[in-house]
Formats: sequence, C-alpha cells, structure tokens
Amino acid sequence: DGGITQSPKYLFRKEGQNVTLSCEQNLNHDAMYWYRQDPGQGLRLIYYSQIVNDFQKGDIAEGYSVSREKKESFPLTVTSAQKNPTAFYLCASSTQRGGGTDTQYFGPGTRLTVL
Amino acid sequence: QKEVEQNSGPLSVPEGAIASLNCTYSDRGSQSFFWYRQYSGKSPELIMFIYSNGDKEDGRFTAQLNKASQYVSLLIRDSQPSDSATYLCAVNPSAGGGNKLTFGTGTQLKVEL
Repeated sequence: DGGITQSPKYLFRKEGQNVTLSCEQNLNHDAMYWYRQDPGQGLRLIYYSQIVNDFQKGDIAEGYSVSREKKESFPLTVTSAQKNPTAFYLCASSTQRGGGTDTQYFGPGTRLTVL
Repeated sequence: QKEVEQNSGPLSVPEGAIASLNCTYSDRGSQSFFWYRQYSGKSPELIMFIYSNGDKEDGRFTAQLNKASQYVSLLIRDSQPSDSATYLCAVNPSAGGGNKLTFGTGTQLKVEL
C-alpha cells in the first residue's frame, strides 16, 4: 500500500521546545517537501530535498531544520526560534524527472499547536 | 503582486450545475499547472494537471489553460455536494526552480442541494 505517512496527527508544543514531525514515503520518490498552511492562506514552502543528503531552503525556512539521511524519510524539526509555529504542516513527495512534469502528492498532515 | 491569484469565494452553485474556478499567475514562463482539492481539515489531493494550452478533460473535471492570458481554470460538471471543498491552484514556475510549486490561497466551493 504505497503512500506518504506523517506522524503524529496532532502535536502540542510548549514554549521553548523543539519538536520533530515525521514524514515517510514508500513511493520511491526522489524529491520531498515540507509546507506550512495557515488558516485562509495557501501552502508555503519551508524546505525541500531533491536527493538524499541534500536539501534547500524554501520561502519560510527560518526557525525550521530538516535532514534527509534516507530516501524514504524527511523529518522536520520546529525549533524554539520559530515564533509562530501553530499551523498545519504538510509533507509531499514527487518524482524528479524534470520539465515541470513531476506531480507532488501530499501526506495527511500534522496539526501543531503551541500551548 | 501575488504570484498565483484565486478568488477566495465562497462560490456557491446548485447541485447539477457547472462550477467554474479561476486562477491567474504572474510568471509568464510557468510550465505546469495543478489543481488540488482540499476538504476542511484534510490534506490536498490532486485532481488534475495541465501543461499545454487548451482543454484537458478527466471525468467531470476539465482544466483549461491559456498561457497568453496567464490564466488557468477548472470546470466541474454536474456538481455534487461532495465537491464542496477548497480548490487550490498550483503553478510550477519557470525552468530552474526544480519542482517547486507556488500555491494560490484557494477558492472555497459550496454545492447546494
């Protein structure tokens, strides 16, 4: 059963804590992405990775960190430096054929709330 | 200026009617265009994509692309209450940006009985 999984579904963070969101895919996709969605707003790209052991900052990377040690996994850490982390976090993956033909598929998301 | 613009709605249509959702984009060199559906509290799911000017049909859905006008639309025929959701337009900008997508803020569609 191929797909993208994210855990946990809901996460609560206290002020000053770092938390890590998990994203795993078994679609054999090379590229993985993290987005943040706030109410009434579109998806904003945090980080993306096109290959193992390499990743690039997106539009709103400040206060976040990622790693890509395995093709299947792309965890996101929300650090205490992120001042407004309450949001819906979405992980996506895609092939890497190029030419604009690669479609991104999304996991179910993690809803993070700061207490 | 927003890179991808959508009317936030809500767009209300009666059951069985055609729903027309519109999206404009600013990067003239954009290559590919995607429509996602997002139910409240859920993640986006892909409806369809389009690369070439003209129409592309998939079941009740038709995507229309006009690169000269920098405009892409999604038509939903025979709208059903289950089509009520937010529809996100996403654009893959000019070559060199990898597979990064720029998303609009979405249009909320309500299909009324």
